[in-house]
Amino acid sequence: QQPVQSPQAVILREGEDAVINCSSSKALYSVHWYRQKHGEAPVFLMILLKGGEQKGHEKISASFNEKKQQSSLYLTASQLSYSGTYFCGTESSGNTPLVFGKGTRLSVIA
Amino acid sequence: DAGITQSPRHKVTETGTPVTLRCHQTENHRYMYWYRQDPGHGLRLIHYSYGVKDTDKGEVSDGYSVSRSKTEDFLLTLESATSSQTSVYFCATLSSRTQYFGPGTRLTVL
Repeated sequence: QQPVQSPQAVILREGEDAVINCSSSKALYSVHWYRQKHGEAPVFLMILLKGGEQKGHEKISASFNEKKQQSSLYLTASQLSYSGTYFCGTESSGNTPLVFGKGTRLSVIA
Repeated sequence: DAGITQSPRHKVTETGTPVTLRCHQTENHRYMYWYRQDPGHGLRLIHYSYGVKDTDKGEVSDGYSVSRSKTEDFLLTLESATSSQTSVYFCATLSSRTQYFGPGTRLTVL
């Protein structure tokens, strides 16, 4: 079952913060976050395993609340290079293929 | 960069013709995947492989078949192309819980 991402789209000015949410109706083993720039392939950002961990990548971090079956991606002090579509991918067990959300389009303007 | 190439990168074909897309990897990754990406739908899994000659269906497998006779090659065949199969197709491999995506193939079915 496809996870639900919100918001669908967001526009930020440079330096502003944003949060992208990913929620599932199924119990989750892990959540993966990817970013795709226009005309390019998705690129891995980070993975969060169940246990409520939080991870970071540059000024981008994420949390995973397994009880709520939710993950959030935090973009701090956004830069123009953060523009793109962000996808979460969820895994219900350790050996199942990822199921991706529909994506959140992030636009950072000067 | 996981050394993934896809061919062709662009293809225009007519309804009813068979089409084969190729994914080639140089990293000896065991798992390989085929996704399609359409506006408003995100990335949807078509088929995946967990080893030579070992494949399984994804959520949108109707009208598609796959073959994997060598570790490095994963072929996606549209048996009789339809206009609804116009899409961007991405291949991916898995290593250390990270999916690496190829550059994509843009397929147009007229």
